[in-house]
Amino acid sequence: RKEVEQDPGPFNVPEGATVAFNCTYSNSASQSFFWYRQDCRKEPKLLMSVYSSGNEDGRFTAQLNRASQYISLLIRDSKLSDSATYLCVVERVSNTGKLIFGQGTTLQVKP
Amino acid sequence: NAGVTQTPKFQVLKTGQSMTLQCAQDMNHEYMSWYRQDPGMGLRLIHYSVGAGITDQGEVPNGYNVSRSTTEDFPLRLLSAAPSQTSVYFCASSPWTSGRIVSYNEQFFGPGTRLTVL
Repeated sequence: RKEVEQDPGPFNVPEGATVAFNCTYSNSASQSFFWYRQDCRKEPKLLMSVYSSGNEDGRFTAQLNRASQYISLLIRDSKLSDSATYLCVVERVSNTGKLIFGQGTTLQVKP
Repeated sequence: NAGVTQTPKFQVLKTGQSMTLQCAQDMNHEYMSWYRQDPGMGLRLIHYSVGAGITDQGEVPNGYNVSRSTTEDFPLRLLSAAPSQTSVYFCASSPWTSGRIVSYNEQFFGPGTRLTVL
């Protein structure tokens, strides 16, 4: 079993739709969680950190459920520019920078 | 600032050849790391460094060497290339102090090197 698992998709949604991605992690000792965005043939970029209390950044909301060991990302009012691969990332040991990446979920927003 | 730069962008090697992938950053970040990205596998940590003269292994270090003689540079060496090392390689950097990443919001990846080993 992979340490961080995501549904690879693709998720095909129309503009304006709300879409949610889930990610599960197996190491209960993990402390830090992130969502990265990766455009086709580009480097990953941090989208947002995920906090225990949940956090929101504009149209994006991230949630953490430690009991069930999953992280979610909700995108509201999808834009064409949201089309990308979204990577769930977990830090194996706190503050070491040893990041474990999921394989990514691909989102395609259609006009 | 140029951020994190990587050279070359593309490389084709024959099995058994050696080469060095270059990575440099101009943000004075202490923490630097190398990842490889393969289809269906996500990014996997190869080696990392928390400062000049300090390196350590990640998840998949076999077949790769690193050194960190300066804060700015963190080259990755393939000693004897194998087809299994065909991948996209990313270098990343972050500020690091007192034994911890200062802020993940300041973690930067380079544009990647696409390596094919025949």
